[in-house]
Amino acid sequence: DQQVKQNSPSLSVQEGRISILNCDYTNSMFDYFLWYKKYPAEGPTFLISISSIKDKNEDGRFTVFLNKSAKHLSLHIVPSQPGDSAVYFCAASERGTSYGKLTFGQGTILTVHP
Amino acid sequence: DGGITQSPKYLFRKEGQNVTLSCEQNLNHDAMYWYRQDPGQGLRLIYYSQIVNDFQKGDIAEGYSVSREKKESFPLTVTSAQKNPTAFYLCASARAGGYYNEQFFGPGTRLTVL
Repeated sequence: DQQVKQNSPSLSVQEGRISILNCDYTNSMFDYFLWYKKYPAEGPTFLISISSIKDKNEDGRFTVFLNKSAKHLSLHIVPSQPGDSAVYFCAASERGTSYGKLTFGQGTILTVHP
Repeated sequence: DGGITQSPKYLFRKEGQNVTLSCEQNLNHDAMYWYRQDPGQGLRLIYYSQIVNDFQKGDIAEGYSVSREKKESFPLTVTSAQKNPTAFYLCASARAGGYYNEQFFGPGTRLTVL
């Protein structure tokens, strides 16, 4: 049972345009969401997060939106740059888990063309 | 520089052999985790540890074992009982605080069974 789903395996955008990566979840106990970026043969690096008490969090070119009623979050990258080309994972953390278990989506490969 | 190191980067094993993957962190984090990544899938939790000399099974612990004798170290042994061990293995750590969220990842070890 995939509790966190990224339904788009890949996304291709032109440099300078907006990239929108989507993530859906089914577990209503999730209350904290994170996005990680991963280059090939490297570990993921933390990008941005959002608590369930907010619906938007912004950090430079990156903005995460959370729609709790739809159980949906999205990551917007504006403007997109070739260096943003990577795999993006969304992850969720469940209320009440003291060890901070993260449940990851399958990932979306973003390619930004010059 | 603080961070997480994993060694080796590439590892080859013959069927029937046990192999141990190293993970060391100097971030003074209490919690450490092991994940497995397979193509087209998200990260799946193998084992985690909140404190020294204590660890718990994650979602896919069968065929794996761990130890946590030191705060800085959390080695993972892939045993011959693991049916499909070829994968990319990632170690992560997080600070204590009652509710860990952001996990920091090492560069990963790619294990190939010949």
